[in-house]
Parts: sequence; structure tokens; C-alpha cells
Amino acid sequence: EAGVAQSPRYKIIEKRQSVAFWCNPISGHATLYWYQQILGQGPKLLIQFQNNGVVDDSQLPKDRFSAERLKGVDSTLKIQPAKLEDSAVYLCASSIGTSGGPVSYEQYFGPGTRLTVT
Amino acid sequence: SQKIEQNSEALNIQEGKTATLTCNYTNYSPAYLQWYRQDPGRGPVFLLLIRENEKEKRKERLKVTFDTTLKQSLFHITASQPADSATYLCAPSYGNNRLAFGKGNQVVVIP
Repeated sequence: EAGVAQSPRYKIIEKRQSVAFWCNPISGHATLYWYQQILGQGPKLLIQFQNNGVVDDSQLPKDRFSAERLKGVDSTLKIQPAKLEDSAVYLCASSIGTSGGPVSYEQYFGPGTRLTVT
Repeated sequence: SQKIEQNSEALNIQEGKTATLTCNYTNYSPAYLQWYRQDPGRGPVFLLLIRENEKEKRKERLKVTFDTTLKQSLFHITASQPADSATYLCAPSYGNNRLAFGKGNQVVVIP
């Protein structure tokens, strides 16, 4: 079974520029998550999708971050304009996310995209 | 909001010994709690899930306990090996099956 795919793996941009990250979850996984992981910290949830609907985006800085999951499969996360404090690893994760109990919510992570804003 | 505490100091342990990590949480009552392993430059990997009505869960050399009264989970690696060296993340659930991750606790197994 293929894992969660993310691209690019690394990105360096200047502040005020825009950037987009792409994620392809495990086939059949209904729930998709985007996390931000700053060096030395645990992952922080930015947005959670169930199929193509947003479940939670309360921690997404909506003035500069946006995300979409068209057709309920792959997803993109965009930052525009980027700030220095956005330098972090952006992780995408997916889970089965059905009514099968907590086991359905084990999360499978991609390798992440390391963003450096200069 | 949820507060998750894991020991910020790295745990250095001799090969063959048992490593024990602590996760404390405050301000809420998770329905379940997950533990993940993260290696440098990689995404976290799921290890174990324990539900609020379970006291203990085991998987091979791993054991997790969950004390909802103390609001604490302990994570044990028995007969530790150098390949167990990594950062271990505690993640109690909240709300709509979301996870709140701790900062992680680094384990270094010395041969």
C-alpha cells in the first residue's frame, strides 16, 4: 500500500512570496490533516478535512493560509504572503476516518515539506 | 485549551534496559491517546492507541498505560535497542477525533 505523498520536499522562499504544498493521501482515507511542525515542537493541527468538507480550521491563519481538498482526494495548502515565522515542516496526514471507532483515526503521515522563509 | 507535557530532556539509556517516557495532559479528558515515533527528517509513525477505558496496551516490546485520574500516560520500551533511538510523541485526542501533540521526548539508546 502506497503511503502519503507530499511535494515538494524542500522549499526556500523570500518573505512576502507565496508557496503551495501538495498532498496525496492513502487511497480510501476519508480524513486528511495538515500540520505545522516548528523545530523542537510537536505537530500543530492547521486544518482537518472529512472527504472534501472542512471539519476544523480553527488554528489556520486564514489571512494568509488557505487549503482545499477538491474531489475529496488530494489537497493543497497555500501560504500567501509568507512570513519568517512560517518557516517549519508542513506535514500531511490521513486516516480512514469512518465510524469504525478510534482505530479508524490512526494517522498516517507523509514525509513533510520543509519550508524556509528568508 | 489542551496542554500536553512531555519531558524536554533527552533520555539516554543503556541497550537492553527499559525506557520509560511520561506524558501529562491538562484541561480536558481525551477519549483515547496515541503514541507516535518520529525520526529526523521524517513524518511521525503511529505506534499504539489506548482508549480511556483501557489501563494498559502492549505491542511487542512496547507498553502504554493510561491513567485518566492522574491525566497521565506512560510509554515503555523494554529491552531497548539502538534502533529505538528516536523522538516519541504523545497525542491525546480531543473534539472530533483530532490529536493534540506534545513536543516529544528524545530517546537515545547507547550500545
